[in-house]
Amino acid sequence: AQSVTQPDIHITVSEGASLELRCNYSYGATPYLFWYVQSPGQGLQLLLKYFSGDTLVQGIKGFEAEFKRSQSSFNLRKPSVHWSDAAEYFCAVGSGGSYIPTFGRGTSLIVHP
Amino acid sequence: DVKVTQSSRYLVKRTGEKVFLECVQDMDHENMFWYRQDPGLGLRLIYFSYDVKMKEKGDIPEGYSVSREKKERFSLILESASTNQTSMYLCASGTPGRSEAFFGQGTRLTVV
Repeated sequence: AQSVTQPDIHITVSEGASLELRCNYSYGATPYLFWYVQSPGQGLQLLLKYFSGDTLVQGIKGFEAEFKRSQSSFNLRKPSVHWSDAAEYFCAVGSGGSYIPTFGRGTSLIVHP
Repeated sequence: DVKVTQSSRYLVKRTGEKVFLECVQDMDHENMFWYRQDPGLGLRLIYFSYDVKMKEKGDIPEGYSVSREKKERFSLILESASTNQTSMYLCASGTPGRSEAFFGQGTRLTVV
């Protein structure tokens, strides 16, 4: 069975600082990996996705993520955080044979001015 | 752009009422999902459907049922609402073989 772990429940950063949100997955074959963002009271918006190819993936809003098979990780990064990035971030894993993505429990990002 | 629309942003219902949450997608996706989101628990799958009239239970189906009579519409039904079903409900759609989900804006349901 596939699973996702987001070890950090909350992350606090200062505006302008760099950001890295951690995601570890468990899956037997090559996974499909996703990061979603959820602003308060809203649905989830896809930030980026990895299916195959280049392991460094660029997404919207200046985010990127790197797939590291040896570490079973897909960490999300941003070089300079803006106050508007404060939100809940979800990592998810799926596969070509699965209808259903499995989500982590989420990391809440707090941005200090 | 994919558009997934949930019929209500906020709902307040009484205990024991039958509640319908409606979801419509406009991208001809085969797969549709209903998730429940609670603080600290992340997203939990209630039901999913991979075709019209086809449905499968997710992780927490108890107290819920679903209906998919048309490809674009997936309804979640609370047969007899209870206060422990107060939550954010998220609908999503996607294509087979990609595991990628596109979400609606969510329905915040309060059962009093």
